[in-house]
Amino acid sequence: KNQVEQSPQSLIILEGKNCTLQCNYTVSPFSNLRWYKQDTGRGPVSLTIMTFSENTKSNGRYTATLDADTKQSSLHITASQLSDSASYICVVSEGGTYKYIFGTGTRLKVLA
Amino acid sequence: KAGVTQTPRYLIKTRGQQVTLSCSPISGHRSVSWYQQTPGQGLQFLFEYFSETQRNKGNFPGRFSGRQFSNSRSEMNVSTLELGDSALYLCASSSDTGRSTGELFFGEGSRLTVL
Repeated sequence: KNQVEQSPQSLIILEGKNCTLQCNYTVSPFSNLRWYKQDTGRGPVSLTIMTFSENTKSNGRYTATLDADTKQSSLHITASQLSDSASYICVVSEGGTYKYIFGTGTRLKVLA
Repeated sequence: KAGVTQTPRYLIKTRGQQVTLSCSPISGHRSVSWYQQTPGQGLQFLFEYFSETQRNKGNFPGRFSGRQFSNSRSEMNVSTLELGDSALYLCASSSDTGRSTGELFFGEGSRLTVL
């Protein structure tokens, strides 16, 4: 069964600290993996999208990595800010079917 | 360039009623997909339309239906509402030409409360 699992479920860090969110998937065939940020009550906003051949992709203070062999991805946030408080959702596209499989997200809280 | 627009933003219905939600995609985008988001289940895929054709469907009962018009605007309908249908319904558009590589642009959602 195609699944996307994220850890931790929730995370609290102090402003200025770094953190890493994890995403493991069993989706096959694989097309691409995306990370989204969702503020409370808003729609998700894309941070990165990676295909099979890409190992790392950055978007400002956000850096995503992908290991297609182990089917793992991580999202690293550097020098966190209060505005980083949100849910981060990992999404994997199934190749050839146009299906998107969503993780349940990691809720991040950044404290001053 | 205007983003994805969903209407209405909030609505309250009672059990047994039906509801129609609307989504206007980004100009030029032909793919529109719909999702249900609840606190316990996260985002769940409902269906996706491309050029007026339903291209993919999630695992939801037949009470959930949708359609897409020639201008790419899409509507979803939920009939015989149940309490468990209370959720944030999100729409996303994409310029994807068929390879699932296009970026998804989400609207702000329609929050449905069923009493």
